[in-house]
Amino acid sequence: ELKVEQNPLFLSMQEGKNYTIYCNYSTTSDRLYWYRQDPGKSLESLFVLLSNGAVKQEGRLMASLDTKARLSTLHITAAVHDLSATYFCAVDMDIGTYKYIFGTGTRLKVLA
Amino acid sequence: DADVTQTPRNRITKTGKRIMLECSQTKGHDRMYWYRQDPGLGLQLIYYSFDVKDINKGEISDGYSVSRQAQAKFSLSLESAIPNQTALYFCATSDDRDRGTDTQYFGPGTRLTVL
Repeated sequence: ELKVEQNPLFLSMQEGKNYTIYCNYSTTSDRLYWYRQDPGKSLESLFVLLSNGAVKQEGRLMASLDTKARLSTLHITAAVHDLSATYFCAVDMDIGTYKYIFGTGTRLKVLA
Repeated sequence: DADVTQTPRNRITKTGKRIMLECSQTKGHDRMYWYRQDPGLGLQLIYYSFDVKDINKGEISDGYSVSRQAQAKFSLSLESAIPNQTALYFCATSDDRDRGTDTQYFGPGTRLTVL
């Protein structure tokens, strides 16, 4: 069974702290996506990681991909309240299928 | 104007009723998807279409059907709605020609309640 597992599922952290969200997957995909969803809103793309060792950074968020370990990380540096949201990773079910499996999401709450 | 639109945004219906959710996009993308999101869960793929003549079942297609009326329009139907189809439904589009990444662009969602 194809699985995409995120941990933690819930994360409450203080402003200014660092933390990492993990995304493990069981497919042979070589592309991984991170999306953000604000409460009651739609999903918006954060990062696309297309190869082993890929690293992308935007502001306080940095994502990386290790296709050999089938692991992606989303690192949060010096968290601020505006980062409070649910973060999803998604992977191609198999290379080139363009069918995506989503993780269950990590709900992040940054406390002032 | 939004690139991916969904109608209706909210719908309450009764068990056994037929309902259609519509999705339109102006991004010119070939690929369109329908997902379902249940509270506290990720997204599950219902159906996807890579062009007008190519429609495929996703993980949870039972109880649903789709129609790709044009490149820009992809509709999801519940032939006989049941309460466990109460969920938030998202349409999404993507295309490798768009920056070469196949990033998905999501509509605003349709909140469906089946009583």
